[in-house]
Amino acid sequence: RKEVEQDPGPFNVPEGATVAFNCTYSNSASQSFFWYRQDCRKEPKLLMSVYSSGNEDGRFTAQLNRASQYISLLIRDSKLSDSATYLCVVNMGSYIPTFGRGTSLIVHP
Amino acid sequence: DVKVTQSSRYLVKRTGEKVFLECVQDMDHENMFWYRQDPGLGLRLIYFSYDVKMKEKGDIPEGYSVSREKKERFSLILESASTNQTSMYLCASRLMTGDTEAFFGQGTRLTVV
Repeated sequence: RKEVEQDPGPFNVPEGATVAFNCTYSNSASQSFFWYRQDCRKEPKLLMSVYSSGNEDGRFTAQLNRASQYISLLIRDSKLSDSATYLCVVNMGSYIPTFGRGTSLIVHP
Repeated sequence: DVKVTQSSRYLVKRTGEKVFLECVQDMDHENMFWYRQDPGLGLRLIYFSYDVKMKEKGDIPEGYSVSREKKERFSLILESASTNQTSMYLCASRLMTGDTEAFFGQGTRLTVV
């Protein structure tokens, strides 16, 4: 079983839609969590950190559920420019960043 | 502004060649990482370094070695390149504090022919 799992998608949604991704992790001792965004042929870039209390940045909301060992990302009012791959990252033992395989989002007009 | 720079965007090498991939960061970060990214497999950790002169194997170290002689530079070495090492290689760095995010270089797309 992979340590960090994501549905690869693709999620194909119209502009203006709300879309949610989940990511599950296996190590209950994991300490920190992030969502990264990766555009085609580019490097991953931090989208947002995920805090225990949840956090929001504009149209993006991230939440952590430690009991069930998953994190989520909600995107409201999707834009064409949101089309990308979203990577879930969990800092596991020794704080090594461990990546999910990514979820592909396609926002169409 | 944070910067992680990889020496090449694209490289083509022949089977059996020794290949050096260089990564430099200007943020005084202690931790540095090398990943490879392949379709359907995501990012897989090859090696990482907690600090200068330190190195640890990641999940897929076979066929690779690393060097960290200076804090800002972390080199990945393919001792004898093989076609199954054709991939996108990504370098990242991070502060020692484990709960901070990692910053990535632009990636090196290596093709071994």
